[in-house]
Amino acid sequence: AQKITQTQPGMFVQEKEAVTLDCTYDTSDPSYGLFWYKQPSSGEMIFLIYQGSYDQQNATEGRYSLNFQKARKSANLVISASQLGDSAMYFCAMREGSGAGSYQLTFGKGTKLSVIP
Amino acid sequence: NAGVTQTPKFRILKIGQSMTLQCTQDMNHNYMYWYRQDPGMGLKLIYYSVGAGITDKGEVPNGYNVSRSTTEDFPLRLELAAPSQTSVYFCASSPDRGHEQYFGPGTRLTVT
Repeated sequence: AQKITQTQPGMFVQEKEAVTLDCTYDTSDPSYGLFWYKQPSSGEMIFLIYQGSYDQQNATEGRYSLNFQKARKSANLVISASQLGDSAMYFCAMREGSGAGSYQLTFGKGTKLSVIP
Repeated sequence: NAGVTQTPKFRILKIGQSMTLQCTQDMNHNYMYWYRQDPGMGLKLIYYSVGAGITDKGEVPNGYNVSRSTTEDFPLRLELAAPSQTSVYFCASSPDRGHEQYFGPGTRLTVT
């Protein structure tokens, strides 16, 4: 079974609108972290936001927020007031555990977001 | 700070050739990682290091080797290049395993 599932290969959003990118995860470890990265067409990986499994509140960073629903094992990224520069690939990733071997980030296949003027 | 730097940016190898991808970070991070990204896919971990002299395998280590003699440098060695190693390679670092990883700009490698 895939550990990180991003079901939306591509999404379109109108400029200035909000958009939600879906991410579901699969782990039996009670300690884990969830990350979102942005990859523009230039190729670099840009960290956006982090949510720990024990965090009580949903993470927010500027226009990015993470809708964390632990029971449903989902960690959706919400981008408010979309801008043309938000057009990129977005990857959800998970780090499991806190012991030896918990260094790896497991990535989903990504969602390509296109912002329409 | 330059962050994480990688060289070269692009490289074409013939089957059977060897090369070393260079990675350097100036953030004094203990943890460093090598990932590969195949077309249309997310990143997969090749090797990682938790400090100078300590390395371990990730999800897809076959065909690669690493070393970590200093905190700053984490080179990735490809021996006997194969077409299956055509990919984009990313180096990353983090201050510890709980933090986000900071990525370099990537090296696009083609093996023909």
